[in-house]
Amino acid sequence: GAVVSQHPSWVICKSGTSVKIECRSLDFQATTMFWYRQFPKQSLMLMATSNEGSKATYEQGVEKDKFLINHASLTLSTLTVTSAHPEDSSFYICSAPGTSGETQYFGPGTRLLVL
Amino acid sequence: RKEVEQDPGPFNVPEGATVAFNCTYSNSASQSFFWYRQDCRKEPKLLMSVYSSGNEDGRFTAQLNRASQYISLLIRDSKLSDSATYLCVVGRLGASKIIFGSGTRLSIRP
Repeated sequence: GAVVSQHPSWVICKSGTSVKIECRSLDFQATTMFWYRQFPKQSLMLMATSNEGSKATYEQGVEKDKFLINHASLTLSTLTVTSAHPEDSSFYICSAPGTSGETQYFGPGTRLLVL
Repeated sequence: RKEVEQDPGPFNVPEGATVAFNCTYSNSASQSFFWYRQDCRKEPKLLMSVYSSGNEDGRFTAQLNRASQYISLLIRDSKLSDSATYLCVVGRLGASKIIFGSGTRLSIRP
């Protein structure tokens, strides 16, 4: 089946630094990818839709200047958390829709801890 | 009101029991429905899609009631390995965008 990878799988950083998370579709092309955030004991919340070759679409309440998304190729989307703060500590997961559009393939997630 | 609502649980049942989860959705334009399972600190994994006619996969049965905007998941003969959080997921045809419910935690005890 389709595989989506994420890198890094976990990161610890100091407050104020920027962190880049990569999401790759390994055996299929993805013109669209989705970025989610999950806080402990809560469900996945869609942050933004990443579109290859165009601007990302952000969900209400998500700061586009803080969470920079770049979808430069059909297999790679990146999420950069700029000037990270402790409240940004979370589990970030990306996904890409399957070719049928019926389902989503999820990356393994990136756990971010900002000290 | 949340677009997808689930009972958060937790459900704590003995091995071998039958357990049922319910989910309601508010957007009548929703066209695709899924159950995912998520283990602690892992990404969600698709358990099964849900079709209007209802569908079964081994010990798991999913049903959809469009009129009531209600989805259910039944797990028979539960195993210890079924312990996880079960996420009700709703999508809109052509949009690929899916909305997650908050999840129902299930714990199976020996």
